[in-house]
Amino acid sequence: GENVEQHPSTLSVQEGDSAVIKCTYSDSASNYFPWYKQELGKRPQLIIDIRSNVGEKKDQRIAVTLNKTAKHFSLHITETQPEDSAVYFCAASKRGNNDMRFGAGTRLTVKP
Amino acid sequence: NAGVTQTPKFRVLKTGQSMTLLCAQDMNHEYMYWYRQDPGMGLRLIHYSVGEGTTAKGEVPDGYNVSRLKKQNFLLGLESAAPSQTSVYFCASSPWAYEQYFGPGTRLTVT
Repeated sequence: GENVEQHPSTLSVQEGDSAVIKCTYSDSASNYFPWYKQELGKRPQLIIDIRSNVGEKKDQRIAVTLNKTAKHFSLHITETQPEDSAVYFCAASKRGNNDMRFGAGTRLTVKP
Repeated sequence: NAGVTQTPKFRVLKTGQSMTLLCAQDMNHEYMYWYRQDPGMGLRLIHYSVGEGTTAKGEVPDGYNVSRLKKQNFLLGLESAAPSQTSVYFCASSPWAYEQYFGPGTRLTVT
């Protein structure tokens, strides 16, 4: 089955800096790659997703890039703010939510 | 519009006891999911449903059963709880196979 690895496990940045989280996947048939944000004690929330027919997608300060040849995708957060502090999870699947595999998560801390 | 709700929020069970977790959604979504979240392991899919009356196994289905008798409800059952089932359980729903909305979670401890 699909295996998703996520790095780093923890990341600390200064407010205003950029943050990058990277994920690799093993199944070349995977075609859907969402990113979720989970604040402490809260539910996961989808922040951005990308399909395999697209190489990059942006939404304000958040962007995701996908390299299908290398089987990796990354989350980029620019101009980080303290409220960006949370655990971020990447995921990969072939059939949308029905076979989704999540990475272990990255705890991002943005220092004011 | 409450979105996705879960009952109960917390529960402590003894080994061998049984219980049912209830997930309810008021968004008329076809798809519903049950996940467990353990420290350092992200979320893992237990079972899912693509519509009323249907269920399917996910990544870690052993020890759990589910039912979707009504479109708005998805029940997760533990017939004989084990300490390995100590976890936070999240339910989610989706109008299609993407972009799922999570409930607030249920923290289950099995002693």
